[in-house]
Amino acid sequence: QKEVEQNSGPLSVPEGAIASLNCTYSDRGSQSFFWYRQYSGKSPELIMFIYSNGDKEDGRFTAQLNKASQYVSLLIRDSQPSDSATYLCAVIGGSNYKLTFGKGTLLTVNP
Amino acid sequence: KAGVTQTPRYLIKTRGQQVTLSCSPISGHRSVSWYQQTPGQGLQFLFEYFSETQRNKGNFPGRFSGRQFSNSRSEMNVSTLELGDSALYLCASSLGRLAGGEQYFGPGTRLTVT
Repeated sequence: QKEVEQNSGPLSVPEGAIASLNCTYSDRGSQSFFWYRQYSGKSPELIMFIYSNGDKEDGRFTAQLNKASQYVSLLIRDSQPSDSATYLCAVIGGSNYKLTFGKGTLLTVNP
Repeated sequence: KAGVTQTPRYLIKTRGQQVTLSCSPISGHRSVSWYQQTPGQGLQFLFEYFSETQRNKGNFPGRFSGRQFSNSRSEMNVSTLELGDSALYLCASSLGRLAGGEQYFGPGTRLTVT
């Protein structure tokens, strides 16, 4: 089982819609969870981090964490073409304290 | 405030050679982490340095090593290069330890091994 799994996509949504990106992780003791956005040919940039169960909102972005289900998601409301990028989920393991990335989900927002 | 800088940006080396990559963190940041990104494996954690000490290491062979200086600048060294080492090498800096939250990535060094 991969440590951090994401659907590779591509996920295609129309402009203005809600994009939902999902991530599951295998280490039940994981403690910190991150979402990064990476445009083609660019470096990753941090969008959100979340440590506690529940929702965390920042503008159009909402991160959701469910530790019991070992699941973290990112919702992007009112999606814009500029949101088209690869979204990377990353997790700090509870046992090894290492940052593990998923392979990323390619999101395309169509005008 | 200047961002994370990496040098060189592009590098071509021959199999068997060694290479040193440099990373200058954002001013005031004390933690530097290194990553390897390839199309097949994605983004993989190499190691984290904080206060000149390696705090964590990913699952890479001993050919990959690094160090951090007192001014928080960091270098990564890869010895006896293999074709599979061709990748984008990214460093990221943060104020405190990695798990503390935000880290900022540099533009990366594109290494090609022939």
